[in-house]
Amino acid sequence: EAGVTQSPTHLIKTRGQQATLRCSPISGHTSVYWYQQALGLGLQFLLWYDEGEERNRGNFPPRFSGRQFPNYSSELNVNALELEDSALYLCASTGPKGLYEQYFGPGTRLTVT
Amino acid sequence: ILNVEQSPQSLHVQEGDSTNFTCSFPSSNFYALHWYRWETAKSPEALFVMTLNGDEKKKGRISATLNTKEGYSYLYIKGSQPEDSATYLCADSGTYKYIFGTGTRLKVLA
Repeated sequence: EAGVTQSPTHLIKTRGQQATLRCSPISGHTSVYWYQQALGLGLQFLLWYDEGEERNRGNFPPRFSGRQFPNYSSELNVNALELEDSALYLCASTGPKGLYEQYFGPGTRLTVT
Repeated sequence: ILNVEQSPQSLHVQEGDSTNFTCSFPSSNFYALHWYRWETAKSPEALFVMTLNGDEKKKGRISATLNTKEGYSYLYIKGSQPEDSATYLCADSGTYKYIFGTGTRLKVLA
């Protein structure tokens, strides 16, 4: 069974640009979570999608947004990139309503110069 | 307790020592408590899911207990090895709720 996949592995952008990160959940999982891990910090919750809808978001500005597609894959968009957006972005999937253990993808390393 | 709290924040132990750390969570509306292991340069990996008061789970040298009435869980590592070095995260989950603690960073010295 394929695990959670994320693309791209690495992404380099300049300040002010937009970044799009992608996540494909494990087959059968309907919930997708996005997390940011900045240098020296733990998992910071960004967004949660379940059954195509945004269920919750963390304490991040509106320029962090996303969506979930009918096949439950998800996109994270970061607009007007700032230097401090440089981080590892992890996606995780789980069963419906977020009741079960999360399975994490390998992450996308975003570097903003 | 309103949030998920973990202690200690970090811990250094000698190889062979046994150790334990704590996760505290709100005891009301409890559904499940999760433990994850997060090694450097890897993604977090689920260790245990615990749902019942008094639950005890074990995987090799690692075990966990759960007290839902008082809102805490303990993770124990028996005979720590250098490969146990990682950050151990707990998470409190419920319907549309999944809250991670900040983790306990364990370093096992050879």
